[in-house]
Amino acid sequence: KQEVTQIPAALSVPEGENLVLNCSFTDSAIYNLQWFRQDPGKGLTSLLLIQSSQREQTSGRLNASLDKSSGRSTLYIAASQPGDSATYLCAVKAGETSGSRLTFGEGTQLTVNP
Amino acid sequence: DGGITQSPKYLFRKEGQNVTLSCEQNLNHDAMYWYRQDPGQGLRLIYYSQIVNDFQKGDIAEGYSVSREKKESFPLTVTSAQKNPTAFYLCASSMVAAGNTIYFGEGSWLTVV
Repeated sequence: KQEVTQIPAALSVPEGENLVLNCSFTDSAIYNLQWFRQDPGKGLTSLLLIQSSQREQTSGRLNASLDKSSGRSTLYIAASQPGDSATYLCAVKAGETSGSRLTFGEGTQLTVNP
Repeated sequence: DGGITQSPKYLFRKEGQNVTLSCEQNLNHDAMYWYRQDPGQGLRLIYYSQIVNDFQKGDIAEGYSVSREKKESFPLTVTSAQKNPTAFYLCASSMVAAGNTIYFGEGSWLTVV
């Protein structure tokens, strides 16, 4: 059974700092991996999707990497801002069809202090 | 605007009652999903549907039921058989091809009183 772990569970940093969020998964046979952002009491917003054949994806100040063989992904946030404060979740997809399971981590709660 | 609309945002259920959460999407997505999120935890899949009139159980389907009579709509009923229904419920949709991003609604809070 796939298990996804995110470390740390919570992180507090001063504004402007570069930071890395970690995601690990136990079964390397994944189809893709997604990083999401969730604001308190809200739904999830997709940030980056990395296919299993890719090593990284970038969007603005965000960069996600994937090392499938070691079961790890990182989300790098450059020059953090207070508006980046949210919970960040990663999820791995097992297979090709839409019915394939998305397994979520428990998230990292990020606070960026002004 | 295109998106996923969940209603109501907040719902209170008395013991023994069934309640239904609405989910509507205008993204023309074939696949729709229901997830449950408990505080400080990841999402768990309740049910999903890839086409109209067909749906599959997820990891925690007991005590829940769904229907998919229209492509745009995927309502979730929380039955009295669900012993611990207090949670945040999220509806999502995607195109059938797995490489496509999954989109989420804003969620519905259900509390048992």
